[in-house]
Amino acid sequence: AQKVTQAQTEISVVEKEDVTLDCVYETRDTTYYLFWYKQPPSGELVFLIRRNSFDEQNEISGRYSWNFQKSTSSFNFTITASQVVDSAVYFCALSLRGGSYIPTFGRGTSLIVHP
Amino acid sequence: DAGVTQSPTHLIKTRGQQVTLRCSPKSGHDTVSWYQQALGQGPQFIFQYYEEEERQRGNFPDRFSGHQFPNYSSELNVNALLLGDSALYLCASSLVGQGAYEQYFGPGTRLTVT
Repeated sequence: AQKVTQAQTEISVVEKEDVTLDCVYETRDTTYYLFWYKQPPSGELVFLIRRNSFDEQNEISGRYSWNFQKSTSSFNFTITASQVVDSAVYFCALSLRGGSYIPTFGRGTSLIVHP
Repeated sequence: DAGVTQSPTHLIKTRGQQVTLRCSPKSGHDTVSWYQQALGQGPQFIFQYYEEEERQRGNFPDRFSGHQFPNYSSELNVNALLLGDSALYLCASSLVGQGAYEQYFGPGTRLTVT
């Protein structure tokens, strides 16, 4: 069985603050992919990052960074110097090779960035 | 390069009715997956179509059915609608075998059942 837990239901910050969104996953498979998606009010899921289970390197893309730690089964997402446009619901997802790569999503974290 | 498109954008139906939602995949993609996203929840996988056949199915009743056409577009049909079917229905397209590896989502159809 696979499971993704996003314990933070809603986070509220003021613009320019740094914010970290937590994601904890469960799987017994050794080959899997982890994802983060952004869902603005328009509804469309926007792909942010994909990470495979054999690559634990952290990644930085502009103001976004991701910390993948297999030892704690976590794949956390940090936004540096948050902006109002970052306000959205963010989903973490897990897909397994053994599950034909069909993703399991967490329940999402709603991020509200106040000006 | 057109992305994934879905129609209609919004839909209101009555309990017991039937509904059909439509999806056109991103150019070059041949696999279509459908997801249901209830309010405050993450998307849940309904099923996936490739070569006009259902290849994978999630934990959804037979009231949910689909179809894929030769041009790779797809329909999602829901019969005997229940209030609990109210949700955002997302379509995603990919290339066969890639699944979630390289999957693009459409804007969704918001279905309200009254």
